[in-house]
Amino acid sequence: EPEVTQTPSHQVTQMGQEVILRCVPISNHLYFYWYRQILGQKVEFLVSFYNNEISEKSEIFDDQFSVERPDGSNFTLKIRSTKLEDSAMYFCASSDTRRPNGDTQYFGPGTRLTVL
Amino acid sequence: GQSLEQPSEVTAVEGAIVQINCTYQTSGFYGLSWYQQHDGGAPTFLSYNALDGLEETGRFSSFLSRSDSYGYLLLQELQMKDSASYFCAVRDRQGTDKLIFGTGTRLQVFP
Repeated sequence: EPEVTQTPSHQVTQMGQEVILRCVPISNHLYFYWYRQILGQKVEFLVSFYNNEISEKSEIFDDQFSVERPDGSNFTLKIRSTKLEDSAMYFCASSDTRRPNGDTQYFGPGTRLTVL
Repeated sequence: GQSLEQPSEVTAVEGAIVQINCTYQTSGFYGLSWYQQHDGGAPTFLSYNALDGLEETGRFSSFLSRSDSYGYLLLQELQMKDSASYFCAVRDRQGTDKLIFGTGTRLQVFP
């Protein structure tokens, strides 16, 4: 069964450093998403991406964040200058349809980001 | 603000039936979804309700009442592997990609 993959599984970085989290969505999907989950808390939407541009972003997704689809398979989230409060699990998700048919977003296993 | 409230924890024994409730207060409503998340794992889609009523998918069913801003997930014939966290999620308007997740309910199934 096709699945969303993410690398690395765990990333440790120093405050102020840049990190890039990578995702490979399911191959025939067209809509891509990033969410984060701070330990013990609920999942929070960051950004959605379609047709090579951001379609929606949350208030969390400030100028420190950016997303890119550098080729036909990868989808990346970059945090330019990490802060302690960026420590969280970051989930990538993808879907082949959009809202009218429901919500089947397929999530990857996540990247645990630890900022020291 | 937007909020989706769920009980923090539910316990049950194998073979039992359990209901996990979700009460939402959002500026709008465009469908209620349920996700399962095992410890250290990714959220996995379980079900979706756009209209009032019950949707059944195997051992899992989901119910929605838009007039009450309320839904629930019903898990039948519980198995040990059902021990996980369960999140409800809402889109608050048509045309949005953003899923607003609930606070999550941790289900523990005992033998």
